[in-house]
Amino acid sequence: KNQVEQSPQSLIILEGKNCTLQCNYTVSPFSNLRWYKQDTGRGPVSLTIMTFSENTKSNGRYTATLDADTKQSSLHITASQLSDSASYICVVSAGYGGSQGNLIFGKGTKLSVKP
Amino acid sequence: GAGVSQSPSNKVTEKGKDVELRCDPISGHTALYWYRQSLGQGLEFLIYFQGNSAPDKSGLPSDRFSAERTGGSVSTLTIQRTQQEDSAVYLCASSLALDRAGHGYTFGSGTRLTVV
Repeated sequence: KNQVEQSPQSLIILEGKNCTLQCNYTVSPFSNLRWYKQDTGRGPVSLTIMTFSENTKSNGRYTATLDADTKQSSLHITASQLSDSASYICVVSAGYGGSQGNLIFGKGTKLSVKP
Repeated sequence: GAGVSQSPSNKVTEKGKDVELRCDPISGHTALYWYRQSLGQGLEFLIYFQGNSAPDKSGLPSDRFSAERTGGSVSTLTIQRTQQEDSAVYLCASSLALDRAGHGYTFGSGTRLTVV
């Protein structure tokens, strides 16, 4: 069964600290993996997207890694800011056609950055 | 418009009533998607529209759910005889073309539906 598991479920850190969010998936065949940021009361916004051949991709203070062999991804946030408080969702796309059900969403990690 | 607009932003309804949720996609986006986000759960695909093609309804959880898209633009998601388990945030997204990999998705802010 195609699944995306994220950990931790929630995380509290102090402003300025770094943190790493984890995503493990059992999706086959794999097409790409994407991290979204969802602020409270808003829709998800894309941070990064990685295909099978990419190991690392950065977007400002956000760096995503992908290990396609172990089927793991991480999102590292450097020098956290209060505005980073949000849910971070890992989404894996299965590489077959058909319905939109081939986008598998994780449940997200809720990050709270405290002053 | 500049973004995907959804209305209402919040809706409280009594069990058994019908509700209509509206999505106005980005101008020129031919593909439109509806998702449901229940508390503590990942996004759940409901339905998508692409141009004039027949919609993919494979994600609709029951026949109480239906959606239409008029003139290839605005879409309405209708839930009939609402149940408490329908309480969730309903998100709409649009993209320039059929985007199975989610590259070009833009999400709206969602409609928070509460069935009491």
